[in-house]
Amino acid sequence: DAKTTQPPSMDCAEGRAANLPCNHSTISGNEYVYWYRQIHSQGPQYIIHGLKNNETNEMASLIITEDRKSSTLILPHATLRDTAVYYCIVKSPYTGNQFYFGTGTSLTVIP
Amino acid sequence: ETGVTQTPRHLVMGMTNKKSLKCEQHLGHNAMYWYKQSAKKPLELMFVYSLEERVENNSVPSRFSPECPNSSHLFLHLHTLQPEDSALYLCASSPDDISGNTIYFGEGSWLTVV
Repeated sequence: DAKTTQPPSMDCAEGRAANLPCNHSTISGNEYVYWYRQIHSQGPQYIIHGLKNNETNEMASLIITEDRKSSTLILPHATLRDTAVYYCIVKSPYTGNQFYFGTGTSLTVIP
Repeated sequence: ETGVTQTPRHLVMGMTNKKSLKCEQHLGHNAMYWYKQSAKKPLELMFVYSLEERVENNSVPSRFSPECPNSSHLFLHLHTLQPEDSALYLCASSPDDISGNTIYFGEGSWLTVV
């Protein structure tokens, strides 16, 4: 599975959009981009995933560049409860069930 | 509520004790996982079970012994642990299909070895 690079930390003002970037320049054609987050002392929570089209759900939007070498997770109106570590994972559904988590981006939403 | 339940949530054990962590999923999934998360470290994948068969063991010491009696239950048996094994142990499950499946985590079991 492709390696991902994320900034170690970011701040965002409450009520503003939080844009979390992820680089995955070695992504291959059948690999999906997944985003999870982990609020302190809890298990990681699934947010969204996509292959090449932009995706939106009730939690967030996922924007994937046309060349698929990077993506951005957008939390449209960040709240204090969105403070968490956000993980970007690139994985093929054909290489088994193993999800490997990196160090992620620690997002702090500031009042 | 993620549909994955772990017990106990907190466990303190001595180095000579034998204890077990339990995980139960109510999602009808076929794959289950154990992850370890030590302080300020990324999640480490320990074991993967698919249809009750162990499909991955990431060089985990034998003092950790997993058991998957059916597709809804997963145990992690612990014996003669070391203080450095103190960590958050997370159980997860996934549908085990090939269509971009996602993984669902429990709340974790905090283990302290004294």
